[in-house]
Amino acid sequence: GNSVTQMEGPVTLSEEAFLTINCTYTATGYPSLFWYVQYPGEGLQLLLKATKADDKGSNKGFEATYRKETTSFHLEKGSVQVSDSAVYFCALSGVDSSYKLIFGSGTRLLVRP
Amino acid sequence: GAVVSQHPSWVICKSGTSVKIECRSLDFQATTMFWYRQFPKQSLMLMATSNEGSKATYEQGVEKDKFLINHASLTLSTLTVTSAHPEDSSFYICSAPPGQGVRQETQYFGPGTRLLVL
Repeated sequence: GNSVTQMEGPVTLSEEAFLTINCTYTATGYPSLFWYVQYPGEGLQLLLKATKADDKGSNKGFEATYRKETTSFHLEKGSVQVSDSAVYFCALSGVDSSYKLIFGSGTRLLVRP
Repeated sequence: GAVVSQHPSWVICKSGTSVKIECRSLDFQATTMFWYRQFPKQSLMLMATSNEGSKATYEQGVEKDKFLINHASLTLSTLTVTSAHPEDSSFYICSAPPGQGVRQETQYFGPGTRLLVL
């Protein structure tokens, strides 16, 4: 079946450290891939997305590249800030001609000053 | 960006009672809304697709009579958990894609409603 697997958290980093949150997927067809972020007390927000292989999504210093050969969509940021502390969800859609989202379990990031 | 609200944000009820959760699109019309359920440290699981003016489409394994969905207007969908039991305790989240009639991959999410059934 279609699924998304994320690394378990929490991930705790110092400010300005390099961030990687791993995400791999299993899907039939050619899904679109997403990273959503949920800040404390708020709804999920789209962080970035990629719709085809080798596409790179980027936003707010975060990047992720759609790697079909490794079925991965790892999230990276070169220098995290305290304000990046949140829960990050990897997700896919489009595997059945619909826009239903299939989510990973989420990874909590805590950035310390 | 577009805003989706949910009410209440937190509810505690006794076993056997029914609880209604509202999901509103505040600055756009939504012909479709989605309802998700999230258990602690687990994924968001899609429960159903709410369609304005027609019946909701439920995912496999979701009890239609247990989770009643009504989408009576273009800005409001409600989820009613009927005869709630402790195993229904969870975090319920709604989302809505803007626009209609096209494949919309961007969805706007509500902040969620935490339900605790005693």
